[in-house]
Amino acid sequence: DVVMTQSPDSLAVSLGERATINCKSSRSLFYSSTNKNYLAWYQQKPGQPPKLLIYWASTRESGVPDRFSGGGSGTDFTLTISNLQAEDVAVYYCQQCYSLPYTFGQGTNLEIK
Amino acid sequence: EVQLVESGGDLVQPGGSLRLSCAASGFSFGSYWMAWVRQAPGKGLEWVANIKLDGSEKNYVDSVKGRFSISRDNAKNSLYLQMNSLRVDDTAVYYCGRQQGWGRFDPWGQGTLVIVSS
Repeated sequence: DVVMTQSPDSLAVSLGERATINCKSSRSLFYSSTNKNYLAWYQQKPGQPPKLLIYWASTRESGVPDRFSGGGSGTDFTLTISNLQAEDVAVYYCQQCYSLPYTFGQGTNLEIK
Repeated sequence: EVQLVESGGDLVQPGGSLRLSCAASGFSFGSYWMAWVRQAPGKGLEWVANIKLDGSEKNYVDSVKGRFSISRDNAKNSLYLQMNSLRVDDTAVYYCGRQQGWGRFDPWGQGTLVIVSS
């Protein structure tokens, strides 16, 4: 199974500042035939289901604010939240969509400093 | 509006059975793979199973193989998860999700809570 490891486990950032979450996979998520990385990011607020933010490592889902951006390739990925807003407080998960069983990182808890 | 609504969660004793349902609306249900993902209390997300458009292919995480069975009824726009031989560590909120592309999930339902305890 592909192991997904996020860092840090928790993060406190001031309003208006930038938050960066890292995600590392135990194998490459890049598929050369499609030239895509099969990595997704989700946001989960308390008491709510996860919400898809980004897929193919860097493609923002429709309706997601452009302060959310994803990057990376192969085994190392990042989620960056610029100009942090109060409503961004949540747990963020990465997920590999490359091979079964689909696996998630352990989550990063983002708080306001 | 695309909507997924789970039901069927309950308190059940170890070794018992439960059937979860997910009612879909607002999209062409039969055109999508569907999946179940669970989240133990205070823990992270775990993909459980998925099923192909016509039900001809089903996949499971190792921990539920032989105990859980995913199915669908496209005429009723419904997804199911039959859970047998339930264990305490199956306790979780179970979400159904529409699978997009190669395995990302959007949207998710609100979830249904399964508690396995004596």
